Amino acid sequence: EAGVVQSPRYKIIEKKQPVAFWCNPISGHNTLYWYRQNLGQGPELLIRYENEEAVDDSQLPKDRFSAERLKGVDSTLKIQPAELGDSAVYLCASSQQVNEQFFGPGTRLTVL
Amino acid sequence: GQSLEQPSEVTAVEGAIVQINCTYQTSGFYGLSWYQQHDGGAPTFLSYNGLDGLEETGRFSSFLSRSDSYGYLLLQELQMKDSASYFCAVRGDPGGYQKVTFGTGTKLQVIP
Repeated sequence: EAGVVQSPRYKIIEKKQPVAFWCNPISGHNTLYWYRQNLGQGPELLIRYENEEAVDDSQLPKDRFSAERLKGVDSTLKIQPAELGDSAVYLCASSQQVNEQFFGPGTRLTVL
Repeated sequence: GQSLEQPSEVTAVEGAIVQINCTYQTSGFYGLSWYQQHDGGAPTFLSYNGLDGLEETGRFSSFLSRSDSYGYLLLQELQMKDSASYFCAVRGDPGGYQKVTFGTGTKLQVIP
């Protein structure tokens, strides 16, 4: 069974540029999460989807971040414009049970 | 809201036993999960405790005391490959909906 797929794995951009991350969850997993992880810290939830519905986006900086989940499967997270402080690893996870999440390899974003 | 505390670093000898503690605060507690993350890798699920007591999975065990808002992860017969960061994550219902929050992680170094 394929795991959670994310792309790109690495992205380097200059500040004020836009950037997008893509995630394909494990087949059959209705719940999808986007996390941001800074060096030496735990994953911080940005948004959680149940199928197509965003049920928790309280931590998403909505002035510059947006997300969508197409047809309740793939998801895209966008930052526009990026700031220096957005440099981090962006992790996507999916689950059938909220107790156990399966994480993708992440996208390491560097903003110069 | 939700919050967790765990030690930032632990060092232990190969073959020994190590315990990583986690205290948490949340309303509407459902359970406590543990994840392992190697440097540069994705978090992977280790265990979940919804009820008080000990859950054992091979060399790893996890304990929960709901009355003390406390749990721990026990790693036995430590191997060099166990060197990684370990995160506890609490599942609760702080705002009328289920939410999972990760701790800041404990970096375990196993030495020969």
